[in-house]
Amino acid sequence: DAGVIQSPRHEVTEMGQEVTLRCKPISGHDYLFWYRQTMMRGLELLIYFNNNVPIDDSGMPEDRFSAKMPNASFSTLKIQPSEPRDSAVYFCASKFGRSPINSQETQYFGPGTRLLVL
Amino acid sequence: AQKITQTQPGMFVQEKEAVTLDCTYDTSDPSYGLFWYKQPSSGEMIFLIYQGSYDQQNATEGRYSLNFQKARKSANLVISASQLGDSAMYFCAIRVKGAQKLVFGQGTRLTINP
Repeated sequence: DAGVIQSPRHEVTEMGQEVTLRCKPISGHDYLFWYRQTMMRGLELLIYFNNNVPIDDSGMPEDRFSAKMPNASFSTLKIQPSEPRDSAVYFCASKFGRSPINSQETQYFGPGTRLLVL
Repeated sequence: AQKITQTQPGMFVQEKEAVTLDCTYDTSDPSYGLFWYKQPSSGEMIFLIYQGSYDQQNATEGRYSLNFQKARKSANLVISASQLGDSAMYFCAIRVKGAQKLVFGQGTRLTINP
């Protein structure tokens, strides 16, 4: 079975440019999460969706960041304009959130997108 | 709010030895789950093991086991018979029931020496 797919795997861009990160969750999963990992702040949740609807975007740093999920198999995280402090690894994760008994509901992560803004 | 503390920034272990990675947590919610993830140098986050707060037994998955001490609020990961491929960052995380957010610790970098 395919895991969470992210593209691109690496992105180098110049300050001020628009960056779009893409994610395909595991088929059948109804939750999708975007995380950011930096040395200073560790792993932090940016936003998550349930059934394609954004539920909590309180972790989105500022208006330069936006995320969409137009359908169950695709999500984007956009940064416009990008800044050097946005340099980080961005992870997408998904999970199946309707386990009747087992509350484990593990989040499965994609390989990440390593973003460098010069 | 929930918090995870991993006090060991780095650990060095000889191959084939057992290793314990520490994790303490803080939450006021009685229902929660604890997760361990492995992040090798390639960067992906790999789920290892899960422990629910109401689980009666410590979780085990192959060479991984979780030493869950609820009263102490600790959930240490034990890796038996360590292998060179176990060298990686290891993250402990918590999720309380009803919430979706995983709160991660800062991680422990484990190095297995031959």
